[in-house]
Amino acid sequence: TQLLEQSPQFLSIQEGENLTVYCNSSSVFSSLQWYRQEPGEGPVLLVTVVTGGEVKKLKRLTFQFGDARKDSSLHITAAQPGDTGLYLCADNTGANSKLTFGKGITLSVRP
Amino acid sequence: NAGVTQTPKFQVLKTGQSMTLQCAQDMNHEYMSWYRQDPGMGLRLIHYSVGAGITDQGEVPNGYNVSRSTTEDFPLRLLSAAPSQTSVYFCASSYGTYRGRGTGELFFGEGSRLTVL
Repeated sequence: TQLLEQSPQFLSIQEGENLTVYCNSSSVFSSLQWYRQEPGEGPVLLVTVVTGGEVKKLKRLTFQFGDARKDSSLHITAAQPGDTGLYLCADNTGANSKLTFGKGITLSVRP
Repeated sequence: NAGVTQTPKFQVLKTGQSMTLQCAQDMNHEYMSWYRQDPGMGLRLIHYSVGAGITDQGEVPNGYNVSRSTTEDFPLRLLSAAPSQTSVYFCASSYGTYRGRGTGELFFGEGSRLTVL
């Protein structure tokens, strides 16, 4: 089982600021998923990255998969209070819905 | 648009009691799974199923049983509740692989918050 490390664990920023958070692994991902979870709800998929060096954009969110497929980053431009939540990365290497999740990054965006 | 439905949303048990958390999905997904979420621990896989009649253990299966008699339903049974099972439980389903690798998008229920006294 891969160990996933997400950093930073907590982040509190002002509306309008930019931020980058990270997900790192001890070994190569087959593919990686990012989820966002709002309080009292289940996680919702943001993106799946598969190819080393891949960059995907979702409005103000930019996801990058490392060239060696051992790390990923999420960059948010001009953060808004609606971005507040828990951001989880998940190792998609296992088959049969056996995702392995990191511990998550708690983001708070203050108005 | 029901998606994945979990019941109950909240439950308080006494140590030693048994109960079943219900999970139903209406998306005709083959893959279903149960996770528990604890502060600082992320989501940990309890049990999963790749289709009706097929189940397997995840990372933390002890104290839990599952069965999958239909595609739609995947109940999680706590046989003799312990305080260590106090947690938020999430059921999730998936339609299959992503481009032939690993798992496609997981669709989660809203969670069931369980407290064991």
